[in-house]
Amino acid sequence: DIQMTQSPSSLSASVGDRVTITCRASQDIGNYFAWYQQKPGKVPKLLIYAASTVHSGVPSRFSGSGSGTDFALTISSLQPEDVATYYCQKYNSVPLTFGGGTKVELK
Amino acid sequence: EVQLVESGGGLVQPGGSLRLSCAASGLTVSTKYMNWVRQAPGKGLEWVSVIYVDGSTYYADSAKGRFTISRDDSKNVLYLHMRSLRAEDTGTYFCVRWNEAFDIWGQGTMVIVSS
Repeated sequence: DIQMTQSPSSLSASVGDRVTITCRASQDIGNYFAWYQQKPGKVPKLLIYAASTVHSGVPSRFSGSGSGTDFALTISSLQPEDVATYYCQKYNSVPLTFGGGTKVELK
Repeated sequence: EVQLVESGGGLVQPGGSLRLSCAASGLTVSTKYMNWVRQAPGKGLEWVSVIYVDGSTYYADSAKGRFTISRDDSKNVLYLHMRSLRAEDTGTYFCVRWNEAFDIWGQGTMVIVSS
């Protein structure tokens, strides 16, 4: 099975900082890749699909890039409401594996 | 409004069984790929199972042979039948629509496996 490795597992940044989270697939998954945001005590929400397409209603400060095995989620200017855990996921084939998550906190 | 509402969670003893339900409104479960995803307390997301439009089903290794995903098209409900439950099955179970990735999530139902 293809493994999804996220890094870092956690980070602390200041409001206004540019934040980048990466995810690596152990095999080529094309662009069948998504990012999710889960705020504390809440349900996960889709942010990015097809590696770089921003889901409807998601603020423009969120962007995704990459294809094949290496992907990134960038928050161009971190806001207090962005405190959350972010998960990557592959969906090219089953199993539809998630990464381990990246917890983003405010400094 | 598109909505998924899970039910059926609760406390069950190890080795026991449980059936989770996911009632859909504003969408038809038979026309999209539908999934179950779980999250152990304080842990990450784990995909559990999917049912395709044609009825094909697939499972995570942790669920194979113990869990069965199904749907009732007449009721527009998705199910997850779970048996031989273990402590490590404890967590919140989410019903999720796979459209453009996992775009619609239910609120989840909690399953606790403990004696």
